Amino acid sequence: SYELTQPPSVSVSPGQTARITCSGDALPKQYAYWYQQKPGQAPVLVIYKDSERPSGIPERFSGSSSGTTVTLTISGVQAEDEADYYCQSADSSGTYPGVFGTGTKVTVL
Amino acid sequence: EVQLVQSGAEVKKPGESLKISCKGSGYSFTSYWIGWVRQMPGKGLEWMGIIYPGDSDTRYSPSFQGQVTISADKSISTAYLQWSSLKASDTAMYYCARHKDAFDIWGQGTMVTVSS
Repeated sequence: SYELTQPPSVSVSPGQTARITCSGDALPKQYAYWYQQKPGQAPVLVIYKDSERPSGIPERFSGSSSGTTVTLTISGVQAEDEADYYCQSADSSGTYPGVFGTGTKVTVL
Repeated sequence: EVQLVQSGAEVKKPGESLKISCKGSGYSFTSYWIGWVRQMPGKGLEWMGIIYPGDSDTRYSPSFQGQVTISADKSISTAYLQWSSLKASDTAMYYCARHKDAFDIWGQGTMVTVSS
């Protein structure tokens, strides 16, 4: 099976920077996408194609890629950013056309 | 407004069949893939499969191949997720989402509870 690995949790104080990593063997060849999910709500796309930001997503959300790891960075974290975050990509063979990461709970202290 | 509206919550018994729906509006339904995502209680997101309503091309995650059926009726802009014999382990929230590179528009979710 193909897996995308994320840290279970990240804690950050308001105004600081949160970085969430996602590791997977196919990430050098496949784009990554990031979703935010708040309790009781459907997920929301916050980053697509590694580093592009959809309209309506605050500029404090950014994405980057390096080798087998992609990173979601939230600069100047606000209380409203407390949520679960999931990366998503695919394997390079086509066997797994889509996979979500294990998810990271961001806690704003 | 682009939106996906899913059918309501379901409570079923093990062994029963079920078909839940996802109706798109505000965009060309046949020009975007539609995907299904499972979220079991207290757990993460799982990518199930996607369908292109224009020609019904369907791709499944190996984890869900043979376990569910994804279909679409383009005449009424609706996608479906179907089970022939539910198990207790199918209890989860199911989301549909429009897919163009990423899942950019999501439905509100359908809660499926399977219990004897």
